[in-house]
Amino acid sequence: EVQLVESGGGLVQPGGSLRLSCAASEFTFSGYWMHWVRQAPGKGLVWVSCINSDGSSTGYVDSVKGRFTISRDNAKNTVNLQMNSLRAEDTAVYYCARGNSFDPWGQGTLVTVSS
Amino acid sequence: QSALTQPPSASGSPGQAVTISCTGTNRDVGGYNYVSWYQQHPGKAPKLMIYEVTKRPSGVPDRFSGSKSGNTASLTVSGLQAEDEADYYCSSYAGSNNYVFGTGTKVTVL
Repeated sequence: EVQLVESGGGLVQPGGSLRLSCAASEFTFSGYWMHWVRQAPGKGLVWVSCINSDGSSTGYVDSVKGRFTISRDNAKNTVNLQMNSLRAEDTAVYYCARGNSFDPWGQGTLVTVSS
Repeated sequence: QSALTQPPSASGSPGQAVTISCTGTNRDVGGYNYVSWYQQHPGKAPKLMIYEVTKRPSGVPDRFSGSKSGNTASLTVSGLQAEDEADYYCSSYAGSNNYVFGTGTKVTVL
């Protein structure tokens, strides 16, 4: 069964950094674009970032450009999201998802930015 | 990168049909046939229900169908069942490695 497992979430102070990881299994990871999507408590889904199959092309929502960096390691079947200069409005559950149809999704990891 | 517009809520009785709209622009929904729909139950991760406007992944009941006209995509759930009560989101490719989600619709089965 295709599986995505996120990790790395937690409580961080405004201005701080976190690195999220998503471990993939049971599919050919290097053949897929990968995405990060977030959902603030009680709010809707917001696309955050994507990376192509070999890591040479990326995309970001305007609100995280210059602060977040997506990367991947096809040897380890992982995709990462380095989040710097975190703000309160970045507080959300962060999901990784496979492919440009976002299927499937991981279970999510909660990031809380608060002093 | 403005969110696609969905109605906040929709409802129907068991066995009835409900249709949810997803309105964007010619830079996203109207410009590409890459509209998807997701179902999300409380506390759970979203699940893909429709991709590329009309395609249904294996395992998704054929009660779920998608369509698009101009800058508006639609999801129709026919033969509503209690388990269809959930939040539904659309998404669209928006060009240049950008994607956008809809504002979400809460579907209630009366």
